Amino acid sequence: QVQLQESGPGLVKPSQTLSLTCSVSGGSISSGDHYWSWIRQPPGKGLEWLGYIYYSGTSNYNPSLKSRVTISADSSKNQISLNLTSVTAADTAVYYCASFCSSNNCYPNAFDLWGPGTLVIVSS
Amino acid sequence: QSVLTQPPSASGTPGQTVTISCSGSRSNIGGNYVYWYQQFPGTAPKLLIYRIFKRPSGVPDRFSGSKSGTSASLAISGLRSEDEANYYCATWDDSLSGPVFGGGTKLTVL
Repeated sequence: QVQLQESGPGLVKPSQTLSLTCSVSGGSISSGDHYWSWIRQPPGKGLEWLGYIYYSGTSNYNPSLKSRVTISADSSKNQISLNLTSVTAADTAVYYCASFCSSNNCYPNAFDLWGPGTLVIVSS
Repeated sequence: QSVLTQPPSASGTPGQTVTISCSGSRSNIGGNYVYWYQQFPGTAPKLLIYRIFKRPSGVPDRFSGSKSGTSASLAISGLRSEDEANYYCATWDDSLSGPVFGGGTKLTVL
């Protein structure tokens, strides 16, 4: 079955760019059934959707972060990437890669698959 | 502050029925499907309910969802100790043009 795995630095300095990768196995990001998303969760807090990308390149971002977030897709590597610029301590969180179902072949409009998440701490 | 409002905590004893509420507005819950996710500490959320009341395969029928106007609810009947977790509601927000989550409800089984 499809599995997602996040990877990237666990520590980022303030004002720098946070970069994470989500590797997708067991399925293709080009299948067309899903948008590929990033969601984060600050320690002890709730979930925040950052944005998503479709295999065609169509993307959509949370307006509150739109100026700092870029999500890209590499079909040859079957990977999704997240870049978050000008980070501060408020960006410290567990970052999840998740698939957002866009067809009737899965659970429509649900985040139906999640990676285990990766903790990113912003600190000097 | 989350777009959708949930009570921060809920509790019940084994066998009881517990209901968790999720309040929104016309631009989100009022015009869209509602989803529920279950999250155990240190793990990723898991889809529990989709399109208001539907259960993915493997989710017990003790879990049920409903919606009325701009609010939604998750009911857990026959409460079990393994249901102790955090529960999040989610939906699409037409104003934001994206998905939004509730702040989460920590369920304690007494």
